[in-house]
Amino acid sequence: KNEVEQSPQNLTAQEGEFITINCSYSVGISALHWLQQHPGGGIVSLFMLSSGKKKHGRLIATINIQEKHSSLHITASHPRDSAVYICAASSPHNTDKLIFGTGTRLQVFP
Amino acid sequence: DTEVTQTPKHLVMGMTNKKSLKCEQHMGHRAMYWYKQKAKKPPELMFVYSYEKLSINESVPSRFSPECPNSSLLNLHLHALQPEDSALYLCASSPGGHNEQFFGPGTRLTVL
Repeated sequence: KNEVEQSPQNLTAQEGEFITINCSYSVGISALHWLQQHPGGGIVSLFMLSSGKKKHGRLIATINIQEKHSSLHITASHPRDSAVYICAASSPHNTDKLIFGTGTRLQVFP
Repeated sequence: DTEVTQTPKHLVMGMTNKKSLKCEQHMGHRAMYWYKQKAKKPPELMFVYSYEKLSINESVPSRFSPECPNSSLLNLHLHALQPEDSALYLCASSPGGHNEQFFGPGTRLTVL
């Protein structure tokens, strides 16, 4: 069992739909990261959070430390949101190492 | 300047070639990273440099040799690679501690 699990693995949506991607982890963490990777491209850090909720534009990330669970929400989805979304956990013992989930491949159709 | 740059974007090399990948950041970050990413997989950490010293080596084969000439530059020297080493190689930097990592666009490497 991976230390960081994501669901779903693949997700398709129509433009305008509300999207949720889930991340569960089984290890102690100092922070949880949400990353975005477009096809063939580099990785962009969307959020880093250790408690509560953060919002940036149409993206919202939440974390529940007690339940070891985080969610990434996209409101009013758009085809340009099509990408792979990866959650990754920072270990409290070595903050330079990220433990990556397997990623969620999102396709948003017009 | 808030980006990490990598050169080249694409690289094709034979198994007997020697080549180098370059990464540069001018954000004053103390930590720099090399990752390897195979298709449809998450990145795998290879090396971490902290304050220009190698702090993590994830048991990477010696045909990959990292170098950090100064606080802004990170190189990955490649020699006698195998076809299975073909992948996207990503560089990242971070202020360190509990901070996000900034990733470069990657170098897509093909070993023939």
